[in-house]
Amino acid sequence: EDQVTQSPEALRLQEGESSSLNCSYTVSGLRGLFWYRQDPGKGPEFLFTLYSAGEEKEKERLKATLTKKESFLHITAPKPEDSATYLCAVQAWGNDMRFGAGTRLTVKP
Amino acid sequence: DGGITQSPKYLFRKEGQNVTLSCEQNLNHDAMYWYRQDPGQGLRLIYYSQIVNDFQKGDIAEGYSVSREKKESFPLTVTSAQKNPTAFYLCASSIAGFGNTIYFGEGSWLTVV
Repeated sequence: EDQVTQSPEALRLQEGESSSLNCSYTVSGLRGLFWYRQDPGKGPEFLFTLYSAGEEKEKERLKATLTKKESFLHITAPKPEDSATYLCAVQAWGNDMRFGAGTRLTVKP
Repeated sequence: DGGITQSPKYLFRKEGQNVTLSCEQNLNHDAMYWYRQDPGQGLRLIYYSQIVNDFQKGDIAEGYSVSREKKESFPLTVTSAQKNPTAFYLCASSIAGFGNTIYFGEGSWLTVV
């Protein structure tokens, strides 16, 4: 069965302190790996899609990378407005999208 | 503005009552989805529809029902058979086919009173 595990569950950073969030997955035939940002009480907002190992995508202070077993979301010099829950999801051929439980990021000024 | 509109934002259900959550999209997407989100858990798929007048059960369909009479609309009914309905419900849509990005609405909170 497809599985997605995100770590850590929660992360507290000081403003400007760079770090990474991890998403490890086990699927047969990855079709795509997706990152979303979710603010409290809101729907997830799409960030990135990665399709193959070695692929990288960037958006402002965020950079997502993909290997055959995991993906990282790197946050460079975060600001308080980056505080949110970050969700990872994977989709294999012929299967539904599977979501991890998320990493709750707090950035202190 | 293109997007997915869910209503109501907050809904209260009495024991034994059916309630319906509305979802409308104007993105011209063929596929639509309903997810349930509980604290500390990943999103779980309730139902999905790849085309009008057709839909499939997801992992937790028991106690829920859906219809897809129009491309733009995919309402979810939470029936009295759903014993633990208090949760955050998310509607989503995408271009049909696997591997396409799913876009979400703003969600609806359902509470049993």
